[in-house]
Amino acid sequence: EIVLTQSPGTLSLSPGERATLSCRASQSVSNNYLAWYQQKPGQAPRLLMYGASSRATGIPDRFSGSGSGTDFTLTINRLEPEDFAVYHCQQYGDSPRTFGQGTKVEIK
Amino acid sequence: EVQLLESGGGLVQPGGSLRLSCIGSGFTFSSHNINWVRQAPGKGLEWVSGIVGSGDTTYYRDSVKGRFTISRDNSKNTVYLQMDSLRVEDTAVYYCAKWNGYGDMWGQGTMVTVSS
Repeated sequence: EIVLTQSPGTLSLSPGERATLSCRASQSVSNNYLAWYQQKPGQAPRLLMYGASSRATGIPDRFSGSGSGTDFTLTINRLEPEDFAVYHCQQYGDSPRTFGQGTKVEIK
Repeated sequence: EVQLLESGGGLVQPGGSLRLSCIGSGFTFSSHNINWVRQAPGKGLEWVSGIVGSGDTTYYRDSVKGRFTISRDNSKNTVYLQMDSLRVEDTAVYYCAKWNGYGDMWGQGTMVTVSS
């Protein structure tokens, strides 16, 4: 199965700064079938991106995704207070679907 | 509004059984795949099982094959996850999600605790 490694484990930033989150796959992700989710404490995950770079419905354009093959990035421009959360990547190009271990974006 | 609502979680002893339910609303339920994803306390997300809209095809992760059974009743807009021979390592919040390879809508989750 494809192992996804997210880095860093924790990112400490201030509101207004840019966050850059990495998701690296153990083998190439077919068709760049890579999704990103945001999860706040006690809540379910919320889909942010799919297909590596397509924003889900209602997601603000300060969120962007990029990458291909084995290396993917989620960028959050101008962090808002509500953006501090845990972010998960997931690949759906291969079975079983697998997730990264998550990156926590915390307030510095 | 698209919604998913899980129920059926609880405390069970190792070797016991539970049946989770996931009720969908706000969309054409029978046209969509539904998957279960779990999250152990303080851990990441882990895909568990999935079922296509018609119910004809099901999928499982290796660690639950032969112990968990997914099914659906489209007349009730409900997907079930029958969990037998539960193990301590099955302890987690279980989420159901409307699935398109990824989860585009998730329920709020139901907690399953396997402990003696």
